Amino acid sequence: RKEVEQDPGPFNVPEGATVAFNCTYSNSASQSFFWYRQDCRKEPKLLMSVYSSGNEDGRFTAQLNRASQYISLLIRDSKLSDSATYLCVVRLNSGYSTLTFGKGTMLLVSP
Amino acid sequence: DGGITQSPKYLFRKEGQNVTLSCEQNLNHDAMYWYRQDPGQGLRLIYYSQIVNDFQKGDIAEGYSVSREKKESFPLTVTSAQKNPTAFYLCASSNREGGNQPQHFGDGTRLSIL
Repeated sequence: RKEVEQDPGPFNVPEGATVAFNCTYSNSASQSFFWYRQDCRKEPKLLMSVYSSGNEDGRFTAQLNRASQYISLLIRDSKLSDSATYLCVVRLNSGYSTLTFGKGTMLLVSP
Repeated sequence: DGGITQSPKYLFRKEGQNVTLSCEQNLNHDAMYWYRQDPGQGLRLIYYSQIVNDFQKGDIAEGYSVSREKKESFPLTVTSAQKNPTAFYLCASSNREGGNQPQHFGDGTRLSIL
């Protein structure tokens, strides 16, 4: 089983739409969770950390379900500039604390 | 401005040649990392270092070497033993291990074989 799994997409949505991405992780001991955004041929950039109680940053909402080992990202009122690949990232904090990256979900927002 | 600088942006390697990718950070971060990204693939960890003069192998260390002589610098050498070096190489750093500290990335080096 892959450590961090994401639907590769692409998700094609019109401007103004709401879109949700899901991610599952295999190691129940994982402690830290992040969403990164990667534009084509660019480096990943941190979008937001994901907290146990869920958190929101403007149009972006992240949720964590530890029981199901599931993380989600909701984007409201999509903009053309949201077009990118969204990477789900997980970290074990029990000594070996490097990050494990999903392969990403591609989002294409059209006019 | 604080950040992570990778150089060069593009690099070409000849058969049998070793090449070194530079990574410098002025964020005063303790930990630094090297990743490799292939098209359509996730990032894979090559090496990481949590402190000066110490580093550990990641998932795909074969054919690569690193050094960490200074806190700010973590160069990666792609040796001739790495038979498939063509990829996008990303350097990252983080404030400290553990906790909810994300990693921040440089803008990458694209390596190709001549």
